[in-house]
Amino acid sequence: DTEVTQTPKHLVMGMTNKKSLKCEQHMGHRAMYWYKQKAKKPPELMFVYSYEKLSINESVPSRFSPECPNSSLLNLHLHALQPEDSALYLCASSQVGQRYSNQPQHFGDGTRLSIL
Amino acid sequence: SQELEQSPQSLIVQEGKNLTINCTSSKTLYGLYWYKQKYGEGLIFLMMLQKGGEEKSHEKITAKLDEKKQQSSLHITASQPSHAGIYLCGAFRYGGYQKVTFGTGTKLQVIP
Repeated sequence: DTEVTQTPKHLVMGMTNKKSLKCEQHMGHRAMYWYKQKAKKPPELMFVYSYEKLSINESVPSRFSPECPNSSLLNLHLHALQPEDSALYLCASSQVGQRYSNQPQHFGDGTRLSIL
Repeated sequence: SQELEQSPQSLIVQEGKNLTINCTSSKTLYGLYWYKQKYGEGLIFLMMLQKGGEEKSHEKITAKLDEKKQQSSLHITASQPSHAGIYLCGAFRYGGYQKVTFGTGTKLQVIP
């Protein structure tokens, strides 16, 4: 069982819909990440939050809007997505700070998103 | 930007055989992960390497980091069907949090 929980596991939405992906962890990690993974490709970093503040935005289109309401939760709000946005969206978390530099990122099982 | 090339892209081995997967970086490696992924699922952490020459083992899996060659290898001894999946290396530089760039992936099938 993963310690990072993502909901929903599957999501089908139309291009005009608004939906949100959720990620939750209770390991006390203060960095949280969103990745996008297309079929047969490696995960690509989208956003990094450190201490609930956005630290990295890898030039992601504005139709993806991340939110970190507290240290345990990470959301990804979706609006007006395109068919090419269909992918597996993975959330991860890790510790922050030099004393934790030897500890890995923990991943959730992902949300499989399909845009009609 | 850093690029990671994995070889081979895919591998089919007989159960009980040994195998090696390589990960070569276009830039200096400071830290490297190895993860395993089952199709459509999340990444399972295997190993983290941070020092040149470092070698770690867990059960039948051994990973090494050769920073001079900008390369890491993952070796599985006496493979089992449970080892099947996609193996991903991921390079990172630690700046408080970890910005990871993943390799191209190696798909492993183990035939009973």
